[in-house]
Amino acid sequence: QLQLQESGPGLVKPSETLSLTCTVSGGSISSSSYYWGWIRQPPGKGLEWIGSIYYSGSTYYNPSLKSRVTISVDTSKNQFSLKLSSVTAADTAVYYCARRVATNAFDIWGQGTMVTVSS
Amino acid sequence: DIQMTQSPSSLSASVGDRVTITCRASQSISSYLNWYQQKPGKAPKLLIYAASSLQSGVPSRFSGSGSGTDFTLTISSLQPEDFATYYCQQSYSTPPTFGPGTKVDIK
Repeated sequence: QLQLQESGPGLVKPSETLSLTCTVSGGSISSSSYYWGWIRQPPGKGLEWIGSIYYSGSTYYNPSLKSRVTISVDTSKNQFSLKLSSVTAADTAVYYCARRVATNAFDIWGQGTMVTVSS
Repeated sequence: DIQMTQSPSSLSASVGDRVTITCRASQSISSYLNWYQQKPGKAPKLLIYAASSLQSGVPSRFSGSGSGTDFTLTISSLQPEDFATYYCQQSYSTPPTFGPGTKVDIK
């Protein structure tokens, strides 16, 4: 069945760019039925949607992060990626990738990857 | 942004108890409300979508109801594997937003 797996550095220095990739297996990222998204969760806190992308490259972002976020897709690799620039300690969180279905719910999630922002 | 609140923030219950969690939106979201279960160290799991539709594979003891601004998640008979944190999420408008969570632990 469909699986998502996040990958990327677990430690990023302040002011640098956080870069993560989500690899989709067991299905195609190019399905017309789905969007693909990033969601994060600071330690001990709640969930925050970062942004989503369609296989065509169409994106939409959380306005609170929009100036620092870029999400891209590589259909040839069945992957989509997140870049978050100018990070601070407040960006320390578990980052999840997830599939968004037609009802706008997130039905399949990756296991999550912890990213710590520290010098 | 649409703000989501949940009550209670935590509750203690026993196996077999009926548990109800409430979620409220800051404006009407029709039935665009989803519920997730999250266990420590794990990703959230979708339980209920569109306010009352049970996600495939989710036990029937979970149910959701509501529309507009007020919603509930009910667990009809709490099982040991149900001790977790539950989040609601509105999918009516961008950005999708989550409630702060309700932690269900063992009494």
